[in-house]
Amino acid sequence: AQSVTQPDIHITVSEGASLELRCNYSYGATPYLFWYVQSPGQGLQLLLKYFSGDTLVQGIKGFEAEFKRSQSSFNLRKPSVHWSDAAEYFCAVVGEGGSYIPTFGRGTSLIVHP
Amino acid sequence: DTAVSQTPKYLVTQMGNDKSIKCEQNLGHDTMYWYKQDSKKFLKIMFSYNNKELIINETVPNRFSPKSPDKAHLNLHINSLELGDSAVYFCASQYRGARADTQYFGPGTRLTVL
Repeated sequence: AQSVTQPDIHITVSEGASLELRCNYSYGATPYLFWYVQSPGQGLQLLLKYFSGDTLVQGIKGFEAEFKRSQSSFNLRKPSVHWSDAAEYFCAVVGEGGSYIPTFGRGTSLIVHP
Repeated sequence: DTAVSQTPKYLVTQMGNDKSIKCEQNLGHDTMYWYKQDSKKFLKIMFSYNNKELIINETVPNRFSPKSPDKAHLNLHINSLELGDSAVYFCASQYRGARADTQYFGPGTRLTVL
């Protein structure tokens, strides 16, 4: 069975600083990996996804993530955080099998200081 | 043109009551889901329907009954509400044909049971 670990419950950064949110997954084969963002009072929105090819994936809002098979990681990065990036971030993995149901991590809450 | 819509956005009710949450998607997707997000932001899959057929039914009390009148709608009816049912419920849709396809989430329904 697949699983996802987001080790940081909260991350606080200053506006303009760089950001890295960690995600580790457990899955036997090649996973399909996703990062979603949940703004306050909203549903989840896809930032980016990886399923093959270039291990550095570009997403919306200036985010990128790098798949590292050797570390079972899919960390999310942004070079310069904006106050509007304050939100909950979820990493998810989809394994093989018919259901294609994603397994979500517990989420990381990003706090941005002015 | 909201892709996935849910009604109501907020629902406050007494223990023991029966309530319904409605979900509609206009994306032409063939698969819809219900998720429960608890107070710690953990997302748990409840149900999944594909072409009006139930394909996923996680360990959910049978007080919860999903109904899919057509591919674009998935409603959730809850009988005999309990305090522990208080959560945010998200509807999502997806085209199930590909493992890497994105899930599109509704804005959520915040259910408070008093």
